[in-house]
Amino acid sequence: GENVEQHPSTLSVQEGDSAVIKCTYSDSASNYFPWYKQELGKRPQLIIDIRSNVGEKKDQRIAVTLNKTAKHFSLHITETQPEDSAVYFCAASSDYSGGGADGLTFGKGTHLIIQP
Amino acid sequence: DAGVIQSPRHEVTEMGQEVTLRCKPISGHDYLFWYRQTMMRGLELLIYFNNNVPIDDSGMPEDRFSAKMPNASFSTLKIQPSEPRDSAVYFCASSLARGLGYTFGSGTRLTVV
Repeated sequence: GENVEQHPSTLSVQEGDSAVIKCTYSDSASNYFPWYKQELGKRPQLIIDIRSNVGEKKDQRIAVTLNKTAKHFSLHITETQPEDSAVYFCAASSDYSGGGADGLTFGKGTHLIIQP
Repeated sequence: DAGVIQSPRHEVTEMGQEVTLRCKPISGHDYLFWYRQTMMRGLELLIYFNNNVPIDDSGMPEDRFSAKMPNASFSTLKIQPSEPRDSAVYFCASSLARGLGYTFGSGTRLTVV
């Protein structure tokens, strides 16, 4: 099955600086890579996702890049703000032809701390 | 739509008791997933359904765990008998299909004492 590794487990950055979280996956058949943000005591919420036919996707201050050859993808947050403090999870799944969505395999999460 | 609805929000039970967690997916979503979250193991997929049919239950930890989806708007996850190591937050999520982003419920925090 799929295995997703996520680094770092904790990341502390100064407000206004950029933050980068990296993930690697093992199953070359994986082709869907979402990122979730989970605030303390709340549910994970989808913030951005990317499919394997795209190398980069951007939405305001967040962007995700994908390198299928190396089997890794990254989340980039620019101009960080206090409300960006949360745990971020990467995930991967396969979208088999005719089979529909497979269950997501999540990374262990990165606790992002924005220092004022 | 009210989103994915889970109940109860919190459950405290004694070891050996039966626990039933409930989930109502978003109307029209064909896929329903049950995840367990702990500090040590992160988010683990337990089981998922497509059109009410269980597709993959390989993540269910042992026979004490069972899940059902009798119709498109309701699913249950049952633990019997419960053990302290089952203490975790259990999330239900649903999605439309084919790798689209999942919407999670608020979760049930289970504590087994």
